[in-house]
Amino acid sequence: DTGVSQNPRHKITKRGQNVTFRCDPISEHNRLYWYRQTLGQGPEFLTYFQNEAQLEKSRLLSDRFSAERPKGSFSTLEIQRTEQGDSAMYLCASSLGGGDTQYFGPGTRLTVL
Amino acid sequence: AQSVSQHNHHVILSEAASLELGCNYSYGGTVNLFWYVQYPGQHLQLLLKYFSGDPLVKGIKGFEAEFIKSKFSFNLRKPSVQWSDTAEYFCAVNVLNTDKLIFGTGTRLQVFP
Repeated sequence: DTGVSQNPRHKITKRGQNVTFRCDPISEHNRLYWYRQTLGQGPEFLTYFQNEAQLEKSRLLSDRFSAERPKGSFSTLEIQRTEQGDSAMYLCASSLGGGDTQYFGPGTRLTVL
Repeated sequence: AQSVSQHNHHVILSEAASLELGCNYSYGGTVNLFWYVQYPGQHLQLLLKYFSGDPLVKGIKGFEAEFIKSKFSFNLRKPSVQWSDTAEYFCAVNVLNTDKLIFGTGTRLQVFP
């Protein structure tokens, strides 16, 4: 399967713990995006990368959130000191370039107890 | 701020009925428009997209959408739905001076045999 992959698919953690998610984009896709989706809502943009450069961050991305794409391939999204309000589905997408179709991964469902 | 409105939150149809899902966006500039579908237990998949040219675009599985610039709309249509069309449908807009997708809240479609 050459689509976008995300790991883990599910994560349950206790409030205050740190969690890290990984996204592997479609190979040769330069752009990588993170979105968050809560129940009954559409995905909301968090941040995106052009190769290894983080080009935009949403106001939704508090200081507890950090994303990296160190070699311009896979990306990680870390949430420090998780809160119950962080419970959501975290989606990753990739595209060839700006304005191109974004292809989504299966998501990581985070539950913070 | 840019936004996308999907006025139908939950639609219930019988097989062979016609479908039209509304999508309106608020942005006066150039946009790319998308419909994504999420089948139960699966990830977001592209249904169709509009970048430029013919405002009537055809997608997979018999779906089509019409871009009406004067109405800021991109409604999704299918003349005859099938049980397998049961899914959640998301309209999304890509504003070309950014690179993020702005999603509507989604429409849940249930088709009964």
